[in-house]
Amino acid sequence: DRVMTQSPATLSASPGEGATLSCRASQTISSNLAWYQQRPGQAPRLLIYGASTRATGIPARFSGSGSGTEFTLTISSLQSEDFAVYYCQQYNNWPRTFGQGTKLDI
Amino acid sequence: QVQLQESGPGLVKPSGTLSLTCAVSGASISGTDWWSWVRQSPGKGLEWIGEIFHSGVSNLNPSLKSRVTMSIDKSKNQFSLSLSSVTAADTAVYYCARAHYDILTFIDYWGQGTLVTVSS
Repeated sequence: DRVMTQSPATLSASPGEGATLSCRASQTISSNLAWYQQRPGQAPRLLIYGASTRATGIPARFSGSGSGTEFTLTISSLQSEDFAVYYCQQYNNWPRTFGQGTKLDI
Repeated sequence: QVQLQESGPGLVKPSGTLSLTCAVSGASISGTDWWSWVRQSPGKGLEWIGEIFHSGVSNLNPSLKSRVTMSIDKSKNQFSLSLSSVTAADTAVYYCARAHYDILTFIDYWGQGTLVTVSS
């Protein structure tokens, strides 16, 4: 299985600041990576697919980059609603695997 | 707008079978997309269970494959999950989801999730 490792586990930031979240794959996954946001008590929501393509309706302050084994999700100018848990997922191989998540805290 | 809704018992006895159904609206289950199940144990991360195509072909997580059955009901536009021989470790929120086909498949729409507790 492709093991996905996210860092940091928790990231503390303030509204208006930027945040950078990392995701590393144990083997190359090309650009077949998605990012999801999960707010408390809610289902995950797709933010990014193809490593860098924003999903429909996702604000431009969310951006993704990377390929191969190293990926980054960047959130510029954090809004209050952005404080949540973020997961990366590879869909290059079966079984699909998720990272353990990064909690973005105020 | 694609919507998915899980249904099924919230409590299953140990060694029993967990059975869930996902009703799909706003999309045809007979299209090009696949249909997935993902679970999340309390306070834990996300675990991909598997996905099924309307033809009945499925891809399953090897860690669960021996206990999982997935099926599709095209007439009702819904799909189902069965997980046998459950233990307390199977207690989780179970999500159904659409795996959008774009050369490969990635999940783009999720149901709200349903908590299934395994307990006697």
